[in-house]
Amino acid sequence: GAVVSQHPSWVICKSGTSVKIECRSLDFQATTMFWYRQFPKQSLMLMATSNEGSKATYEQGVEKDKFLINHASLTLSTLTVTSAHPEDSSFYICSARDELAGAYEQYFGPGTRLTVT
Amino acid sequence: AQSVSQHNHHVILSEAASLELGCNYSYGGTVNLFWYVQYPGQHLQLLLKYFSGDPLVKGIKGFEAEFIKSKFSFNLRKPSVQWSDTAEYFCAVNARTGGFKTIFGAGTRLFVKA
Repeated sequence: GAVVSQHPSWVICKSGTSVKIECRSLDFQATTMFWYRQFPKQSLMLMATSNEGSKATYEQGVEKDKFLINHASLTLSTLTVTSAHPEDSSFYICSARDELAGAYEQYFGPGTRLTVT
Repeated sequence: AQSVSQHNHHVILSEAASLELGCNYSYGGTVNLFWYVQYPGQHLQLLLKYFSGDPLVKGIKGFEAEFIKSKFSFNLRKPSVQWSDTAEYFCAVNARTGGFKTIFGAGTRLFVKA
C-alpha cells in the first residue's frame, strides 16, 4: 500500500532557530502534498497545499514566510519552520495522494513532533 | 468551502455499550468521506471510507458508518465497544473539485470504561 514517511519524528530546537521537516511518498509519486498541524487534544488543521514545481498554497491565517514549503520532487516536500517560537510547538503531519492510481484518499505520514524551547 | 461538524466532543461508555458518533459535512458537490482513529500517542489510522455505492460501509475493528446524502451525514457506529477503543475519532471529507484537500472535524474523544 501507499506509504508516506516523515523525518524527523521528533525534534527539539531553541527559540529563534529554523527546523526543516521532510515528507516523502515512498512508493508513489505525488504532485500535491498537504501539511497539517495538530495541537495537543485538538484536530488536524490544514496549513498548506504543497505543489511540485510551484509555490505552495497557504490556508487563511497561515504565515507563508514562517512556514516555508518546498516541493522539490514528485516524492519529497519539506516544511521549514523559520525563527521558531514556543507557540510553534506542535505535531506536524503531511499527507499525499497516489494520483496515478486514482486514489481519493490521502495517505498520512506518522507526524513530526516539534518542541521549541 | 468544505466543513465538518462532529457533535460529540467527549463520549464515555462502558464496555459492551453501543457507539454512535455523529458527523455532518457542508459541501455542495460530490464528496469522499472518512473516519480516522488516533490512539493515545499514536498517529492517524484510517477506520473506513466512503466514495460511492453502498452507503453502509464497514471498516476495521468492527466499525461501520452510514452515508445519508439527504442529511449530509456520515455517522460512525460500533455495536459493542471495548476498552481498547479508547481513542480520538475524526471525521473527514475531501472532494475532487477541492483538489482532494482533506478537512477534518474537531474530533470526538471516546473513553471506554472497563
